[in-house]
Amino acid sequence: EAGVVQSPRYKIIEKKQPVAFWCNPISGHNTLYWYLQNLGQGPELLIRYENEEAVDDSQLPKDRFSAERLKGVDSTLKIQPAELGDSAVYLCASSRENQETQYFGPGTRLLVL
Amino acid sequence: AQSVTQPDIHITVSEGASLELRCNYSYGATPYLFWYVQSPGQGLQLLLKYFSGDTLVQGIKGFEAEFKRSQSSFNLRKPSVHWSDAAEYFCAVGPRSNDYKLSFGAGTTVTVRA
Repeated sequence: EAGVVQSPRYKIIEKKQPVAFWCNPISGHNTLYWYLQNLGQGPELLIRYENEEAVDDSQLPKDRFSAERLKGVDSTLKIQPAELGDSAVYLCASSRENQETQYFGPGTRLLVL
Repeated sequence: AQSVTQPDIHITVSEGASLELRCNYSYGATPYLFWYVQSPGQGLQLLLKYFSGDTLVQGIKGFEAEFKRSQSSFNLRKPSVHWSDAAEYFCAVGPRSNDYKLSFGAGTTVTVRA
């Protein structure tokens, strides 16, 4: 079974530029999560999807961050415009519906200059 | 509010020696408990989890963890560490509800010396 796929693995951009991250969850996993992991810290949830619906986006900074999961499978997380403080690792995870165990992708490491 | 504390930021252990990583949580009720490992440049891999039943749970790579309700702890152990165990370890808790929002500790970095 393939794991959670994320791309790109690394991204370097200048501040004020837009950036997008893509995630393909494990097949059959209806629930998808985006996490932010700052250096030296544990991941923090940004948004959780159940199929196409964002059921928890309370931690997503909506002034610059957006996410979508149009067909209930792949998801895209976007930042526009990026700020220096957005430099971090963005992790995607997935789980089966109503299952507690989350499986994580390798993450996208973003560096904003 | 729930919180997870990993008191040790960094642990150095000799190869072949035992390892114990501490995790304490503050929660309204007994949560689901997880340990994840993150190798450099990689995502998080699930080591083990506790939902209910036997308080000593076995995981992958020879790890085990013990849930102690009275101490609100879920410490991770390995009897004999291998060089490949050098990584960052995260304890996480989640509610027993449909809100599967994990709260992670800050992590413990493990260095293995030859």
